Amino acid sequence: AQSVTQLDSHVSVSEGTPVLLRCNYSSSYSPSLFWYVQHPNKGLQLLLKYTSAATLVKGINGFEAEFKKSETSFHLTKPSAHMSDAAEYFCVVSSSGGYQKVTFGTGTKLQVIP
Amino acid sequence: NAGVTQTPKFQVLKTGQSMTLQCAQDMNHNSMYWYRQDPGMGLRLIYYSASEGTTDKGEVPNGYNVSRLNKREFSLRLESAAPSQTSVYFCASNLQDGVPNTEAFFGQGTRLTVV
Repeated sequence: AQSVTQLDSHVSVSEGTPVLLRCNYSSSYSPSLFWYVQHPNKGLQLLLKYTSAATLVKGINGFEAEFKKSETSFHLTKPSAHMSDAAEYFCVVSSSGGYQKVTFGTGTKLQVIP
Repeated sequence: NAGVTQTPKFQVLKTGQSMTLQCAQDMNHNSMYWYRQDPGMGLRLIYYSASEGTTDKGEVPNGYNVSRLNKREFSLRLESAAPSQTSVYFCASNLQDGVPNTEAFFGQGTRLTVV
């Protein structure tokens, strides 16, 4: 069984300040983990993925995430928020291979205040 | 390179009407998926097709049917639309289901309202 919990449904930051979007997962096996971003009225775009190699994963647009097995977490961070980062972010877990078995988190809406 | 293309982008149906959502990908992917997105619920899998000629139910298949017309196209049909099917529908594809860590590519979505 697997599940994913995004701890905040909404996060608000000022432009230029750090971003932290939290994600915890549970999995019976070694998981694959993804972060996707969805801009308003758009489809989902992959930000980054954890593939059991390096625990610190770098993605597009300056985002990165750290896989912490002991804490079962995969939090998404960015040092300095930009207005264009305002979007909804989804944490996704897959523990048994096969994209039909992925589980999506409920999403975190990021608001960036000028 | 268009990626994943969905049509239509918007649709309003009356209860009981039928319609088909179309999806096509040009990346030579083997696997395709249909999701629905509802507020506060993330994305939930309706149906998927691991390869051409096969389809399987996902988490929320009731009220829907699918057809994998060929390798490129995967359609979703609502035979008798209900207000509970008001949602945003996403089609996705990836290279090969069953292979871990392969990312999926998503279409831009279809906003369906059933009145």
